[in-house]
Amino acid sequence: EPEVTQTPSHQVTQMGQEVILRCVPISNHLYFYWYRQILGQKVEFLVSFYNNEISEKSEIFDDQFSVERPDGSNFTLKIRSTKLEDSAMYFCASNYSPGLAGTDTQYFGPGTRLTVL
Amino acid sequence: AQSVTQLDSHVSVSEGTPVLLRCNYSSSYSPSLFWYVQHPNKGLQLLLKYTSAATLVKGINGFEAEFKKSETSFHLTKPSAHMSDAAEYFCVANSGGYQKVTFGTGTKLQVIP
Repeated sequence: EPEVTQTPSHQVTQMGQEVILRCVPISNHLYFYWYRQILGQKVEFLVSFYNNEISEKSEIFDDQFSVERPDGSNFTLKIRSTKLEDSAMYFCASNYSPGLAGTDTQYFGPGTRLTVL
Repeated sequence: AQSVTQLDSHVSVSEGTPVLLRCNYSSSYSPSLFWYVQHPNKGLQLLLKYTSAATLVKGINGFEAEFKKSETSFHLTKPSAHMSDAAEYFCVANSGGYQKVTFGTGTKLQVIP
């Protein structure tokens, strides 16, 4: 069964450094998402991406964050200058179409645990 | 706007006894509702989904959930808990064709031998 993959599984970085989290969505999916889960808190939406542009973003997704689909398979989240409070599990998700009942299920990757020191 | 409330942050059951994890939603539209499970250090796995067909939805690993519009609920149940069911469970809603989904705060299920 197709699945969403994410690399790396764990990333440790120093405060102020740039990090890129990588995701490979399911191949025929059209919508891509990033969520994060700070330890002990709920999963929060960051951004959705369709047709090579951001379609929706949350208040969390400020200028420090950017997303890109550099080729036909990868979907990346970049944090330009990491802060301590960026430490979290970051989940990538994808689906075919959010508006259609049969294809709106979001499939999640295993997550990347980001630790900012 | 949509919101999801999971009424219990922790539920503890004995192995072999029934499981009930409660979820209520609030939405201006008819929602799609999902339950996901997250085992320790693992990703989010889809257990089941409701999308306005049958109100009783069967999922993987013996779980099922019933959509009750009058109560705005979508509780998750299982007749007999296994040790392997110990995990965190998330109720998730998507309504109005919004792209983002809304997560509940999660319920940690403990299964006692």
